[in-house]
This record gives sequence, C-alpha cells and structure tokens, in this order.
Amino acid sequence: AQKVTQAQTEISVVEKEDVTLDCVYETRDTTYYLFWYKQPPSGELVFLIRRNSFDEQNEISGRYSWNFQKSTSSFNFTITASQVVDSAVYFCALSENFGNEKLTFGTGTRLTIIP
Amino acid sequence: ETGVTQTPRHLVMGMTNKKSLKCEQHLGHNAMYWYKQSAKKPLELMFVYNFKEQTENNSVPSRFSPECPNSSHLFLHLHTLQPEDSALYLCASSQPSSGANEKLFFGSGTQLSVL
Repeated sequence: AQKVTQAQTEISVVEKEDVTLDCVYETRDTTYYLFWYKQPPSGELVFLIRRNSFDEQNEISGRYSWNFQKSTSSFNFTITASQVVDSAVYFCALSENFGNEKLTFGTGTRLTIIP
Repeated sequence: ETGVTQTPRHLVMGMTNKKSLKCEQHLGHNAMYWYKQSAKKPLELMFVYNFKEQTENNSVPSRFSPECPNSSHLFLHLHTLQPEDSALYLCASSQPSSGANEKLFFGSGTQLSVL
C-alpha cells in the first residue's frame, strides 16, 4: 500500500529565511510518480512539480528546489529566501505507474511566512 | 485561475436536506475527480470519471451520488448527510495520456457544513 508522510504539521519562518518541507513515502512499485501541490488560502491546489522514480536529479525552479533521494524514500521541498506569498499548505503526493486514480496525498504542511 | 470552477463556495445544510455541488472545467480535459479534504487528514479520493464513465468509487457512502453528464461538468449530489461529512470538497480535472501521470487542476472547493 502507498503512504505519504509529512511529519511537519505547521512551520513558521521569518521572511527571507530558507525553509525545507519534508516528505517521506512508501510504495512497493518500482515505477511511481511524486508530486508537490500548493494550497493557498483561496483553496485550490496548485501543481508545483512532478517527478518520476527514474529521475533522481534534483530540480530547481527559481526559489524552489526539490531533493529526491530514493535511498531514503524522501522528496523534500526547499523554498529559498521565503516570501509572504509562500504562505500556504503544501501537499506531497505519490501515484503508481499509471493513472491519477491512485494518487495518495500526505496530510500537508501549513507554512506561515512572518513578515 | 486554474480553469476549474466550483459552486457554491460555501454550503450549510441540515441532515435531511438534498443539495448538489457543481464543478465545471474549461480546459478540455477528459478526466474529472471529486476529493474530500477534512482537517488533519490526507485528501481522500472519492470518485473518478474518464470520458464520462465512472472508473473509481473509493468506497464512498451512497449518500454521495456523483453525476458526469459530459466531460466538462461534474456534480456531487448530497442527501441525508451526517455531521462528519462536513469538509472541503474539491473537484479536479486532468488530461490522461498513456504512460504518464498528468498533473491535476483543482477548483477552489466547496466548504460544506452539515448541521
């Protein structure tokens, strides 16, 4: 069975600090996909990144970066030089080889950036 | 703006009422989803429709009845709900393609309160 654990329920940092959101997953599949979504106060989840299990290269997109480590089953998300607009709930998710029908979400981490 | 619109944004209903949630996507996607988001729980997949056909029912009680008249519209009909059904109900859509898990586009959700 798939499982995604986001141990950090809430994090608060002062603006401009760096922050890392942890995500640990469990799956028996050898092929799978990992996602991060952002849920701002408006409610809709916004896609941030999708990574397949064969691509362990870390990715950077502006102030966002992701560290995928298969050896520890982790897919952590770092925001550099945080801004107030980064305040949101962030969800990590995992899906099997095919289809979003089996997308498993973590419980989310509420990030608050203090001005 | 994600291209997925949900109405109403907020709904309060008694346990004996019948109401419907509506979702419309303007993205030309062929798959639509209902998710339930309760406090401190992972997002729970409820239903999946592909090309108007229901392909997933995640053991949802019969008091929730989905309807997908076309690929752009998805409804969730509610009747005789329980207070524990109070949650944020999120609609999502995606464009399935073989061999890849496409990202989901979410609406802002309907915040449902059952009294």
